[in-house]
Amino acid sequence: DQQVKQNSPSLSVQEGRISILNCDYTNSMFDYFLWYKKYPAEGPTFLISISSIKDKNEDGRFTVFLNKSAKHLSLHIVPSQPGDSAVYFCAADNYGQNFVFGPGTRLSVLP
Amino acid sequence: NAGVMQNPRHLVRRRGQEARLRCSPMKGHSHVYWYRQLPEEGLKFMVYLQKENIIDESGMPKERFSAEFPKEGPSILRIQQVVRGDSAAYFCASSPSVGGNQPQHFGDGTRLSIL
Repeated sequence: DQQVKQNSPSLSVQEGRISILNCDYTNSMFDYFLWYKKYPAEGPTFLISISSIKDKNEDGRFTVFLNKSAKHLSLHIVPSQPGDSAVYFCAADNYGQNFVFGPGTRLSVLP
Repeated sequence: NAGVMQNPRHLVRRRGQEARLRCSPMKGHSHVYWYRQLPEEGLKFMVYLQKENIIDESGMPKERFSAEFPKEGPSILRIQQVVRGDSAAYFCASSPSVGGNQPQHFGDGTRLSIL
């Protein structure tokens, strides 16, 4: 039973345009949501997070939106850069009791 | 300020041997997590430890796998009598405390190959 889903295995975007990565979850007890970026042969790197009491969090080019009623969150990257090409993992935390990763979306930013 | 250190980066074992994977958390972090990533799949939680205690091992296979985080020294993930299906990347993460407002910081993983 996948508690955190990323239904798009891959996404291609032109440099300078917006990248939108989506994530859906099933467990309404999750209180924090996080996005990680992973390059090949490296460990995941924390990007940005959002508390379940908020609907938006922004950090530079990265913005995460949370829609609790739809159990959906998205990561927006604007403008997209070639260096953003990586696998992006959505993760959810349940008050420290349960930390679950989605399967990842591979983003390719084309020059 | 060193990040999470994992060693070895690559480990090759024959079927039936033992594999020992080490993880030194970031300075000041007392919470350690182990994850496994199979090819083309996401990260699967295995075990969560605090110093000398296993807090959650719900993702750990019941046999052949064990983990420890001693008072002194790195955390160790031990796989006995390895089989081909154990081939994967194993990632360790650490955090200063628990909860989503304390993101986990990851090492670069150990790639385990079973011949």
